[in-house]
Amino acid sequence: DSGVTQTPKHLITATGQRVTLRCSPRSGDLSVYWYQQSLDQGLQFLIQYYNGEERAKGNILERFSAQQFPDLHSELNLSSLELGDSALYFCASSVIGADTGELFFGEGSRLTVL
Amino acid sequence: AQSVAQPEDQVNVAEGNPLTVKCTYSVSGNPYLFWYVQYPNRGLQFLLKYITGDNLVKGSYGFEAEFNKSQTSFHLKKPSALVSDSALYFCAVRDGGQGGKLIFGQGTELSVKP
Repeated sequence: DSGVTQTPKHLITATGQRVTLRCSPRSGDLSVYWYQQSLDQGLQFLIQYYNGEERAKGNILERFSAQQFPDLHSELNLSSLELGDSALYFCASSVIGADTGELFFGEGSRLTVL
Repeated sequence: AQSVAQPEDQVNVAEGNPLTVKCTYSVSGNPYLFWYVQYPNRGLQFLLKYITGDNLVKGSYGFEAEFNKSQTSFHLKKPSALVSDSALYFCAVRDGGQGGKLIFGQGTELSVKP
C-alpha cells in the first residue's frame, strides 16, 4: 500500500459528460501529480500541484482541469468527455517536488467513456 | 529535454534464468533515474533509483540496476527470475527543472515462464 488513495476505482460514463477523480496523497506529502495511462500513449504526465499551487503542466487538454485543496487532496476534472479519454488515471505524491525522492502512486481510476 | 527509452516492448525469460530489462536515457545535467513495476490492474510500485554514488543500485524484490554514464544506460537486472516477476516495467527520469515530475519510458512487458 503506497498510502495514496484514489476514488473512484472504476467509472463508466457517456460522451459529453463530466467526471471528477479524487486523490488523497500520502500523509505529509505536499506535491501531487496526475498521469494518464493509455495503450497508445503510455504514461503521460498531466499536471502537478505543490501545496495548493500549480507547479508544472504537461499534456493536459483544455477540457481537463485540476486543483489541490488546503487539506492537500486533489481533484482532476474531465469534461466534454470523448471516447479517447478512456484511460487509467493515476495520482502520485511526493514529499516536496523537485527533489530526488521517488513518487508514490495510487491504484488509479479507470475511466471508460461509452 | 529529458527522456528515457526502453527499446524492448517485451522480454521473455525462463524461470531461474537471469533477466535484463533495458533503459537508455537522455538528460541535461545529473540524471535521477528510477524503475517502477506495474502488475495487472494495479498502480506503479517503486523498485529502485539512482541519484548518485555507486553505479550498482539494489532495490526491492531482488532487483538491481546498473548505471552506465558512458553508455547512458540504466538497465534493470535480476540474477534469477521468478514467474511472479511477470509484469510491466517502467524506466523513468526525474525532471528537476519542471517541478520534479517523472518522465516514463514506454514500458517493457516481462514474461517469465516456468
